Amino acid sequence: GAGVSQSPRYKVAKRGQDVALRCDPISGHVSLFWYQQALGQGPEFLTYFQNEAQLDKSGLPSDRFFAERPEGSVSTLKIQRTQQEDSAVYLCASSLEGLPYEQYFGPGTRLTVT
Amino acid sequence: QKEVEQNSGPLSVPEGAIASLNCTYSDRGSQSFFWYRQYSGKSPELIMSIYSNGDKEDGRFTAQLNKASQYVSLLIRDSQPSDSATYLCAAPSLGQNFVFGPGTRLSVLP
Repeated sequence: GAGVSQSPRYKVAKRGQDVALRCDPISGHVSLFWYQQALGQGPEFLTYFQNEAQLDKSGLPSDRFFAERPEGSVSTLKIQRTQQEDSAVYLCASSLEGLPYEQYFGPGTRLTVT
Repeated sequence: QKEVEQNSGPLSVPEGAIASLNCTYSDRGSQSFFWYRQYSGKSPELIMSIYSNGDKEDGRFTAQLNKASQYVSLLIRDSQPSDSATYLCAAPSLGQNFVFGPGTRLSVLP
């Protein structure tokens, strides 16, 4: 079956621009997670949805970061007024149930802020 | 701060040898443990999950869990060059979010 998909795969933004990253989870998966991964580091948790409810957003680094999942399937991570330190790979993962079950990752979106 | 620690490596082993990757975690409440493999430029891929003390085998991979000592390991038998990747350990507590270790870079030399 289809895995987690993310778009765009690559995004170059000028500093100060807003970006929107999309995640399409595995069909039927209840939970959806966003991570940020810097080069040479493990993924860092950003936020977590169970269906349409955002249960944890403690990992979002600033109020410039916003995530939504309005219908409990597709999710969008939005970054406003991008800064160079936002450059990273943004990974989305989904899970059949809530924590702490197996998560399956999408291919990621590589964001470069110039 | 819940922590998961791994030796960043690189760990180099010859082809055909056993590669041993270790992970320690600080939260005694962790209930499940996961190993992910991440090739350079790719996203993490789940390879093993383990929930109970002891060993769990899947093909050439064996995960070992010791909750008393708070460590989990991954053994790769008959290592192949295609196993060269970064291996990430995750040890979430029930209801808590995944905390990933920094990963161990494995290099299998032909």
